[in-house]
Amino acid sequence: GDSVTQMEGPVTLSEEAFLTINCTYTATGYPSLFWYVQYPGEGLQLLLKATKADDKGSNKGFEATYRKETTSFHLEKGSVQVSDSAVYFCALGRMDSSYKLIFGSGTRLLVRP
Amino acid sequence: GAVVSQHPSWVICKSGTSVKIECRSLDFQATTMFWYRQFPKQSLMLMATSNEGSKATYEQGVEKDKFLINHASLTLSTLTVTSAHPEDSSFYICSASSSGTSYYGYTFGSGTRLTVV
Repeated sequence: GDSVTQMEGPVTLSEEAFLTINCTYTATGYPSLFWYVQYPGEGLQLLLKATKADDKGSNKGFEATYRKETTSFHLEKGSVQVSDSAVYFCALGRMDSSYKLIFGSGTRLLVRP
Repeated sequence: GAVVSQHPSWVICKSGTSVKIECRSLDFQATTMFWYRQFPKQSLMLMATSNEGSKATYEQGVEKDKFLINHASLTLSTLTVTSAHPEDSSFYICSASSSGTSYYGYTFGSGTRLTVV
């Protein structure tokens, strides 16, 4: 069945460092891919998405490219800020009748001043 | 924007007792609600999907009689963990959708950490 694998955290970076959080998936066909972010004390928020191969999702300086050949959707940001400290979830979804989301285990990012 | 309030944010209960978790959509009508659980260092796992006024649809392996879901109104869904045991200790998260047809429109609650002692 479908599954999502994320790198374990925490990932600790200094402010302005480059960020990569790896995400790979296992699925048949062409699912949609998502990154969600959860800030302390808040619910999950959609950060970005991509619906087909080679699509690039972007938001708030974060980017991720749907790579079917490597079944990956790695999250990147060129210069992180303290305010980016949060837990990031990679997810896979299908536009079928259930619209279920399959999540990775989440990666905690800590950005130090 | 859309807001989902989930309460309590954490709860400790004794083994054998029941615990109710509430999920409220504050500024929209939630036609569909989803309940997830997450064990430490594991993925969020979908437990069940509920539509207002209908019985919940449970995922395979989730005990219907243990995890009671009620979605009686368009703004409130509850998850009751009955006869809780230590293995039920987990992080529970709800999400709500006003469209019921697109996960782009899902709003998540902040989660409830349940500890059964």
